[in-house]
Amino acid sequence: NAGVTQTPKFRVLKTGQSMTLLCAQDMNHEYMYWYRQDPGMGLRLIHYSVGEGTTAKGEVPDGYNVSRLKKQNFLLGLESAAPSQTSVYFCASSYSLRGGWSNQPQHFGDGTRLSIL
Amino acid sequence: RKEVEQDPGPFNVPEGATVAFNCTYSNSASQSFFWYRQDCRKEPKLLMSVYSSGNEDGRFTAQLNRASQYISLLIRDSKLSDSATYLCVVNGYGGSQGNLIFGKGTKLSVKP
Repeated sequence: NAGVTQTPKFRVLKTGQSMTLLCAQDMNHEYMYWYRQDPGMGLRLIHYSVGEGTTAKGEVPDGYNVSRLKKQNFLLGLESAAPSQTSVYFCASSYSLRGGWSNQPQHFGDGTRLSIL
Repeated sequence: RKEVEQDPGPFNVPEGATVAFNCTYSNSASQSFFWYRQDCRKEPKLLMSVYSSGNEDGRFTAQLNRASQYISLLIRDSKLSDSATYLCVVNGYGGSQGNLIFGKGTKLSVKP
């Protein structure tokens, strides 16, 4: 019973490099989310998706892109990594309720620790 | 006013103590409320949902006060294993109504 799985768990990048973080969920959830968590800042929403093929910006989307080609996968891309993107990244998923308005609890992956040098 | 506000703590309590956390939220139209627990360097995990009539799960009791726009979490008979950061979570509104808004958390440390 995997739940939400994030790959990789750790990564160190140089400034300007690009990479993709993968999130996979096996709970058939419609909604998926990418957050970053920094000391003193709490969880901040980067992008989210309400279904396959659909994505939307969250609170801090700049410098990131996402794709949801399959319902179970949600990819987060860093186009040109910057030191300010050093953070812990969490993916989450949830059921939707009332067709497009989700107020269900979110289930989290165990995070990706990313350092940009 | 911030959307979801919590006292960051830390709350340092002895084993067996009762401790309570409050959280205030800014949107009176919010309908969904949760408490999450996050251990150091781990992912947030759902502790419990918060219902209008209040609800209890073992040593944990959650209350909602819509008039004053706050929710609370009471932990009775604290255990060492309760040491963690507790996140207050409320559903968003307007353009973000499909999302959840997380507080920054209240840190609890239970000492022997």
